[in-house]
Amino acid sequence: NAGVTQTPKFQVLKTGQSMTLQCAQDMNHEYMSWYRQDPGMGLRLIHYSVGAGITDQGEVPNGYNVSRSTTEDFPLRLLSAAPSQTSVYFCASSYFGPGHSVGTQYFGPGTRLLVL
Amino acid sequence: AQKITQTQPGMFVQEKEAVTLDCTYDTSDQSYGLFWYKQPSSGEMIFLIYQGSYDEQNATEGRYSLNFQKARKSANLVISASQLGDSAMYFCAMREGTGNQFYFGTGTSLTVIP
Repeated sequence: NAGVTQTPKFQVLKTGQSMTLQCAQDMNHEYMSWYRQDPGMGLRLIHYSVGAGITDQGEVPNGYNVSRSTTEDFPLRLLSAAPSQTSVYFCASSYFGPGHSVGTQYFGPGTRLLVL
Repeated sequence: AQKITQTQPGMFVQEKEAVTLDCTYDTSDQSYGLFWYKQPSSGEMIFLIYQGSYDEQNATEGRYSLNFQKARKSANLVISASQLGDSAMYFCAMREGTGNQFYFGTGTSLTVIP
């Protein structure tokens, strides 16, 4: 199993540009999420999904869109990039089924985004 | 109010010694899960240990143990026999009840001194 994969590893954008960060998992996990990590602030939840066709907002959703058309994929779209969105972005997945209420999250390697 | 508080921005420990990383949490749910993750300088997030709120025993995974004190709402990570490879950021996290959101603390940077 590849686990959770993210592309690209690094991206530079200009203010106002849009882009999509890709995330895929091959563990058949229902739950997927996106976080951003900024110095001194830990990880903050942007959006999450509990299954195909179901998404919801986390703590810091503004400026980002998500969709979940398949169990495997959960892309994050930046609509109009701003310097404040310079961060490291992590995708994670977990299994929330019966008997698995632990819900341990497994993380992708991260995407470093720089917005100029 | 912060859901997860880690009050130690940085810690130092001598190699082969034990170290405790502090974590307190805030929830009114009776059912919740507590997690610790390690983030080495390479950047990946590595799951270390889990404690459920109804678990009567403290969780252990190899050299990692979680000192769970429910009344104090604390979930401290204890690393025994520290190794140089333990130098990393450590994050405490919580999932409330059957909720779908995870909350992370701001992390503790651990440096193991030879």
